Amino acid sequence: AQSVTQPDIHITVSEGASLELRCNYSYGATPYLFWYVQSPGQGLQLLLKYFSGDTLVQGIKGFEAEFKRSQSSFNLRKPSVHWSDSAEYYCAVGPLRGNKLVFGAGTILRVKS
Amino acid sequence: GAGVSQSPSNKVTEKGKDVELRCDPISGHTALYWYRQSLGQGLEFLIYFQGNSAPDKSGLPSDRFSAERTGGSVSTLTIQRTQQEDSAVYLCASSRLLGQGETQYFGPGTRLLVL
Repeated sequence: AQSVTQPDIHITVSEGASLELRCNYSYGATPYLFWYVQSPGQGLQLLLKYFSGDTLVQGIKGFEAEFKRSQSSFNLRKPSVHWSDSAEYYCAVGPLRGNKLVFGAGTILRVKS
Repeated sequence: GAGVSQSPSNKVTEKGKDVELRCDPISGHTALYWYRQSLGQGLEFLIYFQGNSAPDKSGLPSDRFSAERTGGSVSTLTIQRTQQEDSAVYLCASSRLLGQGETQYFGPGTRLLVL
């Protein structure tokens, strides 16, 4: 069955530090991969997505992610975080029947100022 | 342009009552999705619509849950005889088309609390 694992439930980093959020997926075919961010009381906002081609994907807000097929990973990175990046981050995989997304459990990021 | 909107933003109800949650997708989006976000369950898919049709209702948690979409636009998720375990945030999303890799745009959600 398709699944997504985000091993880190909570991460705390200092403002200005680099960030990497881990995501591993289980999927039989070439996956479509997504990272969403959810601020408190808000819906999900798409940060970036991978379909094919370049394995390094650039997104909004200075985020990037790298698809590594050999490791079944799609880790999210940012060179220098800002306090406003504090939020919950979700990795998701598709396509599944009906284009539904399967989400990981999420990683709560806290940026200390 | 306008994003996905949902109403109400918050709903408190008593156990056993029926509730209706509304979703207004992005104009022109043919596909619409409902997800539920709850503690301990994460984000789970409930149902999707292609136009007004919902081909697969197997994601709905029980027969107390139903959803409809009219005019290829607004969708309503109805929960009958609500239970405390129905307390969650209900998220709606829409995409331009139904297909591989289509980006889903999410609304702010309806936070449901069943007392």
